[in-house]
Amino acid sequence: QSALTQPASVSGSPGQSITISCTGTSSDVGGYNYVSWYQQHPGKAPKVMIHDVSNRPSGVSNRFSGSKSGNTASLTISGLQAEDEADYYCSSYTSSSTLYVFGTGTKVTVL
Amino acid sequence: QVQLVQSGAEVKKPGASVKVSCKASGYTFTGYYMHWVRQAPGQGLEWMGWINPNSGGTKYAQKFQGWVTMTRDTSISTAYMELSRLRSEDTAVYYCAVAPPAAIGWFDPWGQGALVTVSS
Repeated sequence: QSALTQPASVSGSPGQSITISCTGTSSDVGGYNYVSWYQQHPGKAPKVMIHDVSNRPSGVSNRFSGSKSGNTASLTISGLQAEDEADYYCSSYTSSSTLYVFGTGTKVTVL
Repeated sequence: QVQLVQSGAEVKKPGASVKVSCKASGYTFTGYYMHWVRQAPGQGLEWMGWINPNSGGTKYAQKFQGWVTMTRDTSISTAYMELSRLRSEDTAVYYCAVAPPAAIGWFDPWGQGALVTVSS
């Protein structure tokens, strides 16, 4: 089971919007609405930002939103803030014996 | 609130085994599956498997079958992940994470992580 494909880095200025893509196959992203997104600051544990493609857990800012089209899921961060600078990982349920697969990770830089 | 506290960093020699613990508090330990995820230095996340703390049932990613063992002790609300026949490539931070009720494929919260270094 290969990792889901994400861009290595995305950057934006404060206040702007950025979008991170997560591309998989019909066996994972495209086949199930079980895509989640995690934010990870250096030296810290991941924190879930989006689950089930577009649902935000309680306490997560509404500046974070998720969507999916075909085999590609996306995370959009609007009104970019300095605190959003972190690594972001997507994840999906998969029909393979691995069950869950993560993305390659994207480093978000706030310029 | 839900909290997961993991054991400390370990240094192991190649071929040895390591057992990482994850103590849960703030919720009914037997009510939610516990997952284990690892992250090699500077690398991405890798799902290893889960344990049902209620039944003790487990599901491991195919890659880890035969050399990972997940157990639990319900009397002290603690889950364990043991990895055997360690190699240098197993150097990583190992996280435990809870799956909320009815959740499929997402985990919240996570433990603070336990660094396992495999070096001769």
